[in-house]
Parts: sequence; structure tokens; C-alpha cells
Amino acid sequence: DAGVTQSPTHLIKTRGQQVTLRCSPKSGHDTVSWYQQALGQGPQFIFQYYEEEERQRGNFPDRFSGHQFPNYSSELNVNALLLGDSALYLCASSLRPKETQYFGPGTRLLVL
Amino acid sequence: AQSVSQHNHHVILSEAASLELGCNYSYGGTVNLFWYVQYPGQHLQLLLKYFSGDPLVKGIKGFEAEFIKSKFSFNLRKPSVQWSDTAEYFCAVNAYYGNNRLAFGKGNQVVVIP
Repeated sequence: DAGVTQSPTHLIKTRGQQVTLRCSPKSGHDTVSWYQQALGQGPQFIFQYYEEEERQRGNFPDRFSGHQFPNYSSELNVNALLLGDSALYLCASSLRPKETQYFGPGTRLLVL
Repeated sequence: AQSVSQHNHHVILSEAASLELGCNYSYGGTVNLFWYVQYPGQHLQLLLKYFSGDPLVKGIKGFEAEFIKSKFSFNLRKPSVQWSDTAEYFCAVNAYYGNNRLAFGKGNQVVVIP
């Protein structure tokens, strides 16, 4: 049973560029949530997707956007990258929005 | 919005010592509570969770946590740690009713010395 997978594992970008991160949920899960984990901090909620719609959003600017596909996989897009966007981006999936979330390995983004 | 406090960010202890990590949350309604663990080089894994019922919850690898509603706390305990328990531990909470967003604490970095 495959767990949550994310790609790429690492990414280096420069300020002003755009980035797309990808997530495949655990088998049978239909809900995907994205979190940002800065160094030395706990993960912070970005948004959650269910039935191909953004259902909830945390305190992140519109530069952060996402998408969920019919197969439940998801993308996180960040435009106009800032140095402060450097972090580990975590994807979590759940069987429906209110169920326990299971995390992937994350994508480490470095913005130079 | 929910918030979580974890104290003693860095904990160093010897094998066979007992471990207790504190977690306090701030939220006026009913909550679900979680402890996640991140072993070196691995992803966040669920250690245990509390939704309702018995406030003493047992998780994997001999860990347990106790929900004390009056203290807004969900402390994690293990009677005797092993070197393999070296990891970062995160407490998280979400609202029982309403949104499912997890609010995490800053984590406890635990190092167990053989």
C-alpha cells in the first residue's frame, strides 16, 4: 500500500520564479492538505483540497495556489518566489476531510 | 483559531530514562489531538491520536498520551526510552467540528544517548 508521495524531493529556485510541487495521496484517500514547515518550526497549514475544490485556506497570500485532479493528486504552485518561501513543503492526505491526515516526505525548496 | 504550545524544545536524556513532553492548546471548542513523530531522515508519522472516549491514549512504540480537558493539555509519555526514540515530536490539534486544518506546535527535539 503506497503512502503519500511527493515530487520533487529537493528544488532550488531564484527570487521571482515560479514553482510547482506535486503530491499523490495514499491509496483510497480523496483529500489533500498542504503545509509549509520552516526550519525549527512546526508545519503551518496552507490549504486543503477535496472534490477538486479548495475547501479551506490558511494565512498564506494568493501567490500560493493549488489544484486537485480527478485522480485526487494535487499540485501546489507558488508564484513570485521570495527568500522567505524557503521551507519544507508537506502534503498530507486523508480519507475525507475530517479524517486523520498522513504525511508525505516533503519537498525541500530553497529560494536564492 | 487553534494554537499549540510545546515547551523544552530540546530534550537530551539517557536510554531507559522516562520521557514526558508537554503540549497545551488554545481553543474553546471540542478538539481532536495528535502526536506526530519525525525520525531522522524520515517523514512525519502518526504516533497516536485522541478523538473521544478514554482520555488515556496508547500509541505505537510504547508511547501514551493523556488528555486533560481542564488543563487544555495532551502530554506525551514513555516510561523507558531507547536510542531509536531520537526524533522530533510534534503535537497538533484540530477542531472536532468544522475545519480539519491541523495546528502544530514548534516541536520537541529529543536526543536519547545510548
